[in-house]
Amino acid sequence: AAGVIQSPRHLIKEKRETATLKCYPIPRHDTVYWYQQGPGQDPQFLISFYEKMQSDKGSIPDRFSAQQFSDYHSELNMSSLELGDSALYFCASSWIRESGYTFGSGTRLTVV
Amino acid sequence: SQQGEEDPQALSIQEGENATMNCSYKTSINNLQWYRQNSGRGLVHLILIRSNEREKHSGRLRVTLDTSKKSSSLLITASRAADTASYFCGARRDTGRRALTFGSGTRLQVQP
Repeated sequence: AAGVIQSPRHLIKEKRETATLKCYPIPRHDTVYWYQQGPGQDPQFLISFYEKMQSDKGSIPDRFSAQQFSDYHSELNMSSLELGDSALYFCASSWIRESGYTFGSGTRLTVV
Repeated sequence: SQQGEEDPQALSIQEGENATMNCSYKTSINNLQWYRQNSGRGLVHLILIRSNEREKHSGRLRVTLDTSKKSSSLLITASRAADTASYFCGARRDTGRRALTFGSGTRLQVQP
């Protein structure tokens, strides 16, 4: 069965550059979530979309934005990157309110 | 407010022993979910327990939920070396389309 696909798997950027992370949810899942996980930290919720509309917002910096497109894939755009943005970024998707999430393998972003 | 605080932070046991991890949360929830994460990988959904349930089983996993104490526990019986991972609980609040919020997790080490 198809899982949640994230790209790229690894990304190295310099300070003040921009980055775009992509996520392709499981077909027919209606909600997409983005999480950030720093080294040794718990996953921090950033933002989610239900049927292409923003449904919840967490600790997403103003430098970051996200959207979900008509084909349901989502992109996380990150600008003015800082060293502290280095982390694993996970996308997850789910179907209906009471189901578990399926996580992608993540994008490891390193800011140098 | 942060949901899903786990304890202990780290647990080391021998193969065949049982492992118990606890989780506390702060607000009313729709459901609580447990996930497992191998180092650097995406979270994997283990089990979901709804707010009107008190106990749930899945294979070697047993989850309890005490909404009066706002706490949950995950028991892994007859542990195996392959159970070595970090375990997170995620609380889904009872309002709207809120995303899961995770706590700091329990790092389980099962010695062969």
